[in-house]
Amino acid sequence: AQSVAQPEDQVNVAEGNPLTVKCTYSVSGNPYLFWYVQYPNRGLQFLLKYITGDNLVKGSYGFEAEFNKSQTSFHLKKPSALVSDSALYFCAVRDGGGTYKYIFGTGTRLKVLA
Amino acid sequence: DSGVTQTPKHLITATGQRVTLRCSPRSGDLSVYWYQQSLDQGLQFLIQYYNGEERAKGNILERFSAQQFPDLHSELNLSSLELGDSALYFCASSVAMGQPQHFGDGTRLSIL
Repeated sequence: AQSVAQPEDQVNVAEGNPLTVKCTYSVSGNPYLFWYVQYPNRGLQFLLKYITGDNLVKGSYGFEAEFNKSQTSFHLKKPSALVSDSALYFCAVRDGGGTYKYIFGTGTRLKVLA
Repeated sequence: DSGVTQTPKHLITATGQRVTLRCSPRSGDLSVYWYQQSLDQGLQFLIQYYNGEERAKGNILERFSAQQFPDLHSELNLSSLELGDSALYFCASSVAMGQPQHFGDGTRLSIL
C-alpha cells in the first residue's frame, strides 16, 4: 500500500543552523515527490518536486531535498534556518503506478528559535 | 496569492444538511484536486479532476461528490453531514497532472 511517513511531529532548530525534515515513502512505480509548506490559516504552498533526474532538487526560499531511491527517502533540507521558516511542512507523493492518487504525510512542525 | 479561489471561507451548518463548496482554479490550470484537513486525520486527498473528467479518487465518502464544469471551476458537495465532517476543505489546481499544485486558502466547515 502507498504511504508517506514523516517521523517527527516537530523539529526545533536554532536560527542560522542547518535544518532537516525527514520523509520516507512507499509507492508503486516511479514516484512523484513533493514538499509543501503551510502557514497558519493558509493553504499549502509548493516548495519543490522530484520527478526524475538529479537526486538533489533545489526549490523555493533556499530549500532543497535529496531523493534517495534505495532508502525511499526524500528529506527536506536548508543550510541556514530563518525564524520565518517556522511553519508546517508536508511531504507528498503521487503514485507512479497509474492510479494518480496523492498521499500527504502527517506534517512536521518546524520551529526555528531566535 | 495562489490564484485559486475558494468560496465560502467559512460555513456553519447542522447535522444532516447538505452544502456545496466552490473552487475556481488558477487561470490556465486544467486539473483540480480536493482535500480534507482535520486535526485527527491530517490532510486527506479526496478526488481529482482533469479537464472535466475524474482522474483519481482518494478517501472520499459516498456522501460526498464533486464535479468539474466546462469552465473548469469545481464544486464539492457534502450531504447528510455529520459532526465528524467538520474540517478545512482545500481545493488545489495544477496546469497538468503530476505538476505542482497551487492551493486555495480553504473553506472551514463547522457542523453543529
